[in-house]
Amino acid sequence: DAMVIQNPRYQVTQFGKPVTLSCSQTLNHNVMYWYQQKSSQAPKLLFHYYDKDFNNEADTPDNFQSRRPNTSFCFLDIRSPGLGDAAMYLCATSRGALETQYFGPGTRLLVL
Amino acid sequence: RKEVEQDPGPFNVPEGATVAFNCTYSNSASQSFFWYRQDCRKEPKLLMSVYSSGNEDGRFTAQLNRASQYISLLIRDSKLSDSATYLCVVGGNNAGNMLTFGGGTRLMVKP
Repeated sequence: DAMVIQNPRYQVTQFGKPVTLSCSQTLNHNVMYWYQQKSSQAPKLLFHYYDKDFNNEADTPDNFQSRRPNTSFCFLDIRSPGLGDAAMYLCATSRGALETQYFGPGTRLLVL
Repeated sequence: RKEVEQDPGPFNVPEGATVAFNCTYSNSASQSFFWYRQDCRKEPKLLMSVYSSGNEDGRFTAQLNRASQYISLLIRDSKLSDSATYLCVVGGNNAGNMLTFGGGTRLMVKP
C-alpha cells in the first residue's frame, strides 16, 4: 500500500512555465518535506512543514514555493523553472523532525 | 568540512565479499543516525537506524562511534541485489535540527 504518493512521476515543462508537483501521505505524519536531488548528489532539503508551520531553508531560491492545505497533502510550486531546476523532486514525511523519513517515489522534472 | 561526509566510491566487490562504509559527521551533538539505501532513479528507503550500542539486521551491521563522530555500515556475504547507493543520514547535526544526508557511497557487487 502506497504511503507517500507523488504525482506526476514525470513532468516536462518549458523554461519559465510554472509547474506544480503534488505529494500526499496516508501515514498521518506531522512533518512533510520537499527535497531536490540531482544526479549523483545527496537530496537537498528545500523546505518542510511541521503541521502548518512552514520552514524554508536559507538557500532555497524564491522561485520555489510550497503549500500544505491539510495534513495529507503538500505541493511544490516552481514559479519560473530554469534549466538548472531539472532534477528529481522527492517528498518525504516523518512523525517528528529527527525521526525516520519515508519517501515518495519522486517526480522527475525536465525543463525544455 | 561537510556536515555529513561519505566516500562516494564506487566500491566494486565480488559476490560474497564483506564490505564496510564509514560516514563522518561534524556536530558532536547529533542525535539520530540512519542508513538509507537508494537504487538508481528511485527514492531513498530506510535500511536501518543506528543505535548507540550498535545493531544488526541479517547481513547488515551498523555501528556508532560518538567519540570519533562516525557511523559505519558493514555488509556481509554481499549479494548482487545489494548494488545501490548507501546514504548516511544524521539528525540534529545542523542549526535547523533536521536530518542531513550524506552524498552517498555507491556499491557495485559483481558476479
